[in-house]
Order: sequence, then C-alpha cells, then structure tokens
Amino acid sequence: AQSVTQPDIHITVSEGASLELRCNYSYGATPYLFWYVQSPGQGLQLLLKYFSGDTLVQGIKGFEAEFKRSQSSFNLRKPSVHWSDAAEYFCAVGPDSGGYQKVTFGTGTKLQVIP
Amino acid sequence: DSGVTQTPKHLITATGQRVTLRCSPRSGDLSVYWYQQSLDQGLQFLIQYYNGEERAKGNILERFSAQQFPDLHSELNLSSLELGDSALYFCASSGPRANYGYTFGSGTRLTVV
Repeated sequence: AQSVTQPDIHITVSEGASLELRCNYSYGATPYLFWYVQSPGQGLQLLLKYFSGDTLVQGIKGFEAEFKRSQSSFNLRKPSVHWSDAAEYFCAVGPDSGGYQKVTFGTGTKLQVIP
Repeated sequence: DSGVTQTPKHLITATGQRVTLRCSPRSGDLSVYWYQQSLDQGLQFLIQYYNGEERAKGNILERFSAQQFPDLHSELNLSSLELGDSALYFCASSGPRANYGYTFGSGTRLTVV
C-alpha cells in the first residue's frame, strides 16, 4: 500500500528565509504526487502536483517541488518565505493501488514564520 | 470559494444523536471524497463516491454512512455520536483522472457534547 512520510511535524523559519519541507513516499510505480496547504480554519488548497514530465514543478504562491525517484522524495521549496505562508502543509501520493483516484495524505508539517 | 460547498459549517450536538453533513462538488466533478480531520488522528480518509457509486472505503465506522445522489451531491450520515467523533469533516471533489488533484470544501466542524 502507498504511504507518505513527512518527517517534520513543526518547522519555524524567519520571514525572508528559504524553506524546504520534506516528503518521502512509498509507491509501487510512478506516483502522482501533490502538495496541499491548509490555513487555520480552512480547507486544503492544492499548491502543486507532479505526475509526469519535468521533475521540477512550479505551483501557486511561489512554491516549487522536485520529484526525485532515486530518493522517493518530493520536497517542497520556497526561496523566500512570507508571513502569510504560515499554515500546515500536506504531501499526498496516489492513485490508490486499486486504480481509483484516492490519494494518501501525510501527517502534515506546521510552518511557523517569525518576523 | 473553491467551488465545493459544505453545509453546515458548524454543528453542535449531543452524544447518541444523528447528524447529516452535506457536500456539493465542484461543477463537473464526478468524484466525492470524505475525510475526517482531528488533532490526534490527522487527516483520515473515510469514503469515496464516483458518479453515485461507492469506489473506495477507508477508516469509516459502521455508525457512519454516506451516499451520492443523482445530482452528484453527497451526504455523510453520522449516528450514535460519541465525544470522539468531534472533528472537522471535509469533502473534496475531483475530475475523472487521478492526476487532477482534489478541490476541498471548507469543512464542517462537528462538536459532540
């Protein structure tokens, strides 16, 4: 069964600093990979996705992620963090092994941004 | 506005009661997913429907049930509620291909007292 590991439960960065959130996955074939962001009291919003082609994908809000098959990783990066980026970030992998569209979410990383 | 509508936004009810959460997917999306989010369990997949048919089942309790209607809206029914059922319940919808990604609603916060 597929799985996602986000090893960092909580990360604190200074505003303007660079950010990298880690995501490792387990999947039997070429996965579809996603990053979502959840602001307090809100639903999850899709930041970016990878399913084929260029392994460096660009998303909304200035985020990017790189798919590294050899490391089973899909880390999220941003060169300069803004205070409004404080939120929880979820990595997800799919589709379900039964071929359905269901994806599996990681446990999330909470990002705190300090002035 | 994501295009996925969930009602109600907040619900407070007593133990033992039954509630119904409603979700209208984004226009054109045939798949609906239900997730439960709590502090101790994280984001847990409950169930998926595609064009009215159940497609995948996750950690959904027997006290919980769901359905998707011909107009594609979905309802999640929670019965014999317990304190531990207090959580955020999210609905998401997606297009016909797995690589489309989900569009989430803003959730229903259920508090069982």
